[in-house]
Amino acid sequence: DTGVSQNPRHKITKRGQNVTFRCDPISEHNRLYWYRQTLGQGPEFLTYFQNEAQLEKSRLLSDRFSAERPKGSFSTLEIQRTEQGDSAMYLCASSFTGSNSPLHFGNGTRLTVT
Amino acid sequence: GDSVTQMEGPVTLSEEAFLTINCTYTATGYPSLFWYVQYPGEGLQLLLKATKADDKGSNKGFEATYRKETTSFHLEKGSVQVSDSAVYFCALSVNTGNQFYFGTGTSLTVIP
Repeated sequence: DTGVSQNPRHKITKRGQNVTFRCDPISEHNRLYWYRQTLGQGPEFLTYFQNEAQLEKSRLLSDRFSAERPKGSFSTLEIQRTEQGDSAMYLCASSFTGSNSPLHFGNGTRLTVT
Repeated sequence: GDSVTQMEGPVTLSEEAFLTINCTYTATGYPSLFWYVQYPGEGLQLLLKATKADDKGSNKGFEATYRKETTSFHLEKGSVQVSDSAVYFCALSVNTGNQFYFGTGTSLTVIP
């Protein structure tokens, strides 16, 4: 178990640019989640996958955000036409199926939009 | 809707003091409850969990008991250490576990 890995750790971009983050979950886990966290707040749900299927997206998620999980392994989160309000920590987590199974988080990607 | 409310911080304690961080929840089903800890610059780590009423989760000297009658899951530790300084998040998941709900976090600083 090598844990959940996220890359890059930090990303600074200019407003209007596109960015893509990668998450490698724990290999045995079939669920993968993306969360966003801003300073002083708890993680906010963005979307989750069961294997390769994206089963739920937050209604707060702008259509500038898209996530994929090809082949049910790693996942990417892309933000198009970034805005300053997108600056946050983007957390990836994975788990087994079931409400008893805890989320295992990566260390996050910190995005700063200038 | 489902939600978690935890006491606001920041909390500052002296080493070896007793810690309580309050957490209450609202859930339509039968939730599983979790405490996570986040150290600076890192992601969240699972601290403990409880999956049904009256269960007690424990880890590293921390404990929390799932109280259905008061819809609470308060975190306690009898003697905190400087290394416990972090942000603590209460969380719940319901039904199929497709979504977790987190509190806003409580920052703890332990001073020597």
